Amino acid sequence: GAGVSQSPSNKVTEKGKDVELRCDPISGHTALYWYRQSLGQGLEFLIYFQGNSAPDKSGLPSDRFSAERTGGSVSTLTIQRTQQEDSAVYLCASSLGGAAEKLFFGSGTQLSVL
Amino acid sequence: GENVEQHPSTLSVQEGDSAVIKCTYSDSASNYFPWYKQELGKGPQLIIDIRSNVGEKKDQRIAVTLNKTAKHFSLHITETQPEDSAVYFCAASMRNNDMRFGAGTRLTVKP
Repeated sequence: GAGVSQSPSNKVTEKGKDVELRCDPISGHTALYWYRQSLGQGLEFLIYFQGNSAPDKSGLPSDRFSAERTGGSVSTLTIQRTQQEDSAVYLCASSLGGAAEKLFFGSGTQLSVL
Repeated sequence: GENVEQHPSTLSVQEGDSAVIKCTYSDSASNYFPWYKQELGKGPQLIIDIRSNVGEKKDQRIAVTLNKTAKHFSLHITETQPEDSAVYFCAASMRNNDMRFGAGTRLTVKP
């Protein structure tokens, strides 16, 4: 597709379960970002991948959160032992190369932890 | 890391009036300042950006100004229309670094 694709669009899970959120960036984009957006709130930076460099994980809120990017393309954000406060929209974005470039966002995954 | 503050959090204007949203940043090394518009249920979309080598940029009804000395930048929307109603985010970044966003401004344009 032409844009950033995220799946699933909605995910409902029970407290304590693990979830995986997927992001397919635009082909050729070397930079990939994950953000979290709680209801009515701003964009909270989670993690940033740039090419083959070590990711910037400084925004991950706890060790229950992890992310990987396989082959420099698809990325998966994993949340282990989900808590109710993890409920939010998780947004993925990609850009051509590094920051200081236009970010293209996906539509996000709405995560609800019951 | 970079810290971006954005004001106001909500803004309501009458159709046809102007709207101004202001942001400040902390890292003097930041050199790229984009603005994103987010409509309900969608991801943010870039509407205008400015780099540190210019002080102002305009695109039709939208303009952005940058004051590097004061480390602040602003979004100006003139002749507002109801379809301008959305949440607007400013951001700042350095090359090869992550993009940090402000908390957002919910703009409502009343017909």
